[in-house]
Amino acid sequence: DVVLTQSPATLSVTPGERISLSCRASESVDTYLHWYQQKPNESPRLLIKYASQSISGIPSRFSGSGSGTDFTLSINGVELEDLSIYYCQQGNSLLTFGSGTKLEIK
Amino acid sequence: EVQLVESGGGLVQPGRSLKLSCAASGFTFSDYNMAWVRQAPTKGLEWVASISYGGSNTHYGDSVKGRFTISRDNAKSTLYLQMDSLRSEDTATYYCARCNWELVCYYFDYWGQGVMVTVSS
Repeated sequence: DVVLTQSPATLSVTPGERISLSCRASESVDTYLHWYQQKPNESPRLLIKYASQSISGIPSRFSGSGSGTDFTLSINGVELEDLSIYYCQQGNSLLTFGSGTKLEIK
Repeated sequence: EVQLVESGGGLVQPGRSLKLSCAASGFTFSDYNMAWVRQAPTKGLEWVASISYGGSNTHYGDSVKGRFTISRDNAKSTLYLQMDSLRSEDTATYYCARCNWELVCYYFDYWGQGVMVTVSS
């Protein structure tokens, strides 16, 4: 099974910062890597598909990059409403999720 | 508007069975692969099972293989998850999710609100 390792587990941020979250796969997943946001007590929401493709309705401050085994989700100018847990997920070999990165206020 | 509404959760004893349902609306259900994803309390997301748009192909996560069965009724626009031989570690919120509009489920573009399943004596 493909294992996705997300880092850091928790990230303390200041509003307005540009931040990057990492997702590393145990084997190549090409660009079948997707990102989700989950706010407290809510269902997950798709943020980025196929590593870097934007999703309609998602703010443009969210962007993704990477291919193969190393991927990054960037938020250009964190806002308070972005405080959530972010999960990566691969769809190249069945479906697996990373363990998540929690964004909190510094 | 795409809507996915789960039902059928609750408290069940270890070893017993439970069947979840997910009523879909706002899109042509029979055109999409569908899936169940779960989340144990304070834990991360875990893919449980997925099914092709016609229902002929199914895939399961290792932790539920042989105990859970995913199925669908396209005439009723409803997805199901039959859960047998339940264990305490199956305690979680179960989400119904729509897969991308392709032949293979690569990601989930819409999610239900989730239904809680608690396995305890």
